[in-house]
Amino acid sequence: QVTLRESGPALVKPTQTLTLTCTFSGFSLTTSGTCVNWIRQPPGKALEWLARIDWDDDKSYSTSLKTRLTISKGPYNDQVLLKLTNMDPVDTATYYCARIPPFATSSYAMDVWGPGTTVTVSS
Amino acid sequence: DIQMTQSPSSLSASVGDRITITCRASQSINTYLNWYQQKLGKAPKLLIYAASSLQSGVPSRFSGSGSGTDFTLTISSLQPEDFATYYCHQSYSTPHTFGQGTKLDIK
Repeated sequence: QVTLRESGPALVKPTQTLTLTCTFSGFSLTTSGTCVNWIRQPPGKALEWLARIDWDDDKSYSTSLKTRLTISKGPYNDQVLLKLTNMDPVDTATYYCARIPPFATSSYAMDVWGPGTTVTVSS
Repeated sequence: DIQMTQSPSSLSASVGDRITITCRASQSINTYLNWYQQKLGKAPKLLIYAASSLQSGVPSRFSGSGSGTDFTLTISSLQPEDFATYYCHQSYSTPHTFGQGTKLDIK
């Protein structure tokens, strides 16, 4: 069974750096074609794609946030990290991680999502 | 970045109705278009991938079509559990982008 779960601080102060962890099971990020994405959703608003890391360590970022974002694999083979620097109240959102499965090259659809973690930015 | 425009932004319908949601890309994305359903307080759920392929476990009343820049999601006979928000998602190129969502509620 494929599962993902996000974790990190629920509250951060403006200007701080947010570090989120996506811990997954049931698949390997070393399998060719597999990717993990980060997506966020401010309260009452639409989904916003943030970043993706591929099995071969290739990385992609949101154009508007790329100077603030870093995605990386964790020290073990079951985690992906997301760092967002210089946090602002507009970054308040639920943050999700989601998998693109291997062999999904016809779609790159995200087939399994974590439940999300809510981050509030406030002093 | 590729812009995705969904319409309508909201829709009221009744159980048993047939509804269609459209999504337009700002440039051709071939069939790299996916549809997700999101219920309040929950993570999105993949319904349709590659424009018209039904994700495993999704009821057959959901269908998708289109290619290039214009896409549709159709629900053939609305069920009570279908009232939710729907998002299209282009995965043709990074950065990926989502539509602004279509909120479907009960008339």
